[in-house]
Order: sequence, then C-alpha cells, then structure tokens
Amino acid sequence: DAGITQSPRHKVTETGTPVTLRCHQTENHRYMYWYRQDPGHGLRLIHYSYGVKDTDKGEVSDGYSVSRSKTEDFLLTLESATSSQTSVYFCAISEWDTKEGNIQYFGAGTRLSVL
Amino acid sequence: GENVEQHPSTLSVQEGDSAVIKCTYSDSASNYFPWYKQELGKRPQLIIDIRSNVGEKKDQRIAVTLNKTAKHFSLHITETQPEDSAVYFCAASMAKIIFGKGTRLHILP
Repeated sequence: DAGITQSPRHKVTETGTPVTLRCHQTENHRYMYWYRQDPGHGLRLIHYSYGVKDTDKGEVSDGYSVSRSKTEDFLLTLESATSSQTSVYFCAISEWDTKEGNIQYFGAGTRLSVL
Repeated sequence: GENVEQHPSTLSVQEGDSAVIKCTYSDSASNYFPWYKQELGKRPQLIIDIRSNVGEKKDQRIAVTLNKTAKHFSLHITETQPEDSAVYFCAASMAKIIFGKGTRLHILP
C-alpha cells in the first residue's frame, strides 16, 4: 500500500463538537483528496488539494473545511459535527497528469460516529 | 454538475460465469476511467483503468471497454471466482474524480 496514514482510525464524538481528521503521506504526491463513504452513495468527494495551500470544493463540501500547510499533510475539519456527518472518511493521494491519468491510492479510512 | 451513473447496484452470478457492470458519465472532458474494488471493511483499490484514447483494455480475467461518443464504459469479469465478491466502483476523472455509487457483486457457489 502507498504510504498514506489516516488518524484517528475511529472516533466517537458528540454533536456540536469540532473534529479534525488527519491524512499524512510519504509519497510526495501533489494531489490529496477527502471522501466520505455512506451506504447507497458510494464515495463522494468533500474537498481536494492540488498543492500546498491550494484547495477546492467537491460535491459535498458544506460543513467541512480543509487545510494543507505541508505537502505531506491534509487536514479535514468538521467545525461543529452533526449526526449527518457520521460516515467513513477516506483520504486519497494521486500524482495526476494528463498522460497517465489520475490513479488514486486510498488510506485505510476513519470511522466517525457523531452522537 | 458532473455525474457518473453505475448499474446494476447489486449483481449475483454463478461461479464461473461472467459479470458485467456498466457506467455512464456526463462530463465530456473526462479522460481517465478507473475501476476500484472494495472488499468488506477495506479501502478501495484500483483494479484496472482506461484512458480516453483507448477503446478496450484487458488484464487476465478483467476487461474494460470505453465508448467516448456514447459516454459509456463497462467492466467485464470472466470466469468469476469467490474472491471476486466485493463492491466495485467506476469513476470518471480529470483532476478530480467522480465515482459511481457502486455495484455489490456476489459470486454464488
């Protein structure tokens, strides 16, 4: 598996509390992504980054913010967690280019429960 | 917005038979189409991909076809085995990637 570490792997929190999930890579890949996975919805993109301090929204970005201050770290923050944000969160990295395509390597996932 | 439709959502086939999963995409600028396999409790892993300048690609028992004009692409698994049981996701991509909702494939003994 590519060098991607997600932390924590499991978290239980209460509604209204802030939560930060961390994705750390050792591959020096330019692109990093955060997805959520819910039954019946597949993988939905929350935010992605195409470089240090360069981020863009995905299809389900409301209620989430991200930061990337170093190439190797991409943080996902839920400012005030809600029960609808209970999900499994996957980080992915890629070295997208127009010739080779966008091969994504996934982290092991973080299971978040908001009570 | 960009969208990827995937069918069927569930598929059961007898061991040894073939399985076909179909996807359509909306963004004509997409130029890369990967397929991921996710086993229960595990992370998605790439099993095969195809680029927009290619119509078909094979890797042992799996193959992918792409029709850019119709914006369709399909995954074909031949001689299915128990270890093929998993959820399969198609995707269409430029810098960001849009996934289909997945197909749960059951291989029946």
